[in-house]
Amino acid sequence: KAGVTQTPRYLIKTRGQQVTLSCSPISGHRSVSWYQQTPGQGLQFLFEYFSETQRNKGNFPGRFSGRQFSNSRSEMNVSTLELGDSALYLCASSLTDGNTEAFFGQGTRLTVV
Amino acid sequence: DAKTTQPPSMDCAEGRAANLPCNHSTISGNEYVYWYRQIHSQGPQYIIHGLKNNETNEMASLIITEDRKSSTLILPHATLRDTAVYYCIVRVDHQGGKLIFGQGTELSVKP
Repeated sequence: KAGVTQTPRYLIKTRGQQVTLSCSPISGHRSVSWYQQTPGQGLQFLFEYFSETQRNKGNFPGRFSGRQFSNSRSEMNVSTLELGDSALYLCASSLTDGNTEAFFGQGTRLTVV
Repeated sequence: DAKTTQPPSMDCAEGRAANLPCNHSTISGNEYVYWYRQIHSQGPQYIIHGLKNNETNEMASLIITEDRKSSTLILPHATLRDTAVYYCIVRVDHQGGKLIFGQGTELSVKP
């Protein structure tokens, strides 16, 4: 089966701009989570969506937002980009909210200049 | 979520078993132990999880101590492709997709 697809794979943006990243989960998966990975902070949870509702949120400023569509595809948006937002953004999907494994995409590498 | 402690790095000879320890002394009764790994520049990959019984799948074995305060991930015959950062995570059931990653153990498999 097709895995988790994230687009684009690489992105360069200028400080102050906004960016939208996309994630298509595995078919049938209803939970989508987003993570930020940086060398200094490691892998940090951003938020999770389940059936179009945000269910969990990490400790990130309001500039980071997301949404999920009825087909479970998800987008995350970062507004007013800062240099520190440069990171690998990872999306993971899982079947339900139960005790199931999460499948990760390859990530989007965002560079803010 | 309970905190986990892992050694920052380990080496293993190719073909030998790799035993990766994890301490989770504050784990509560309804928390599961999960293991993921991340090969350089890729997304994390699920390996195995368990509650209190030992578990085995095609990738690895998970040994959880009787008091559940620590566990060991065993890769029975490590290969160069097993070189990765291994993360031990504890989480409650029905918590959705939220995973709290620590710093993990960087495993280097050497020929």
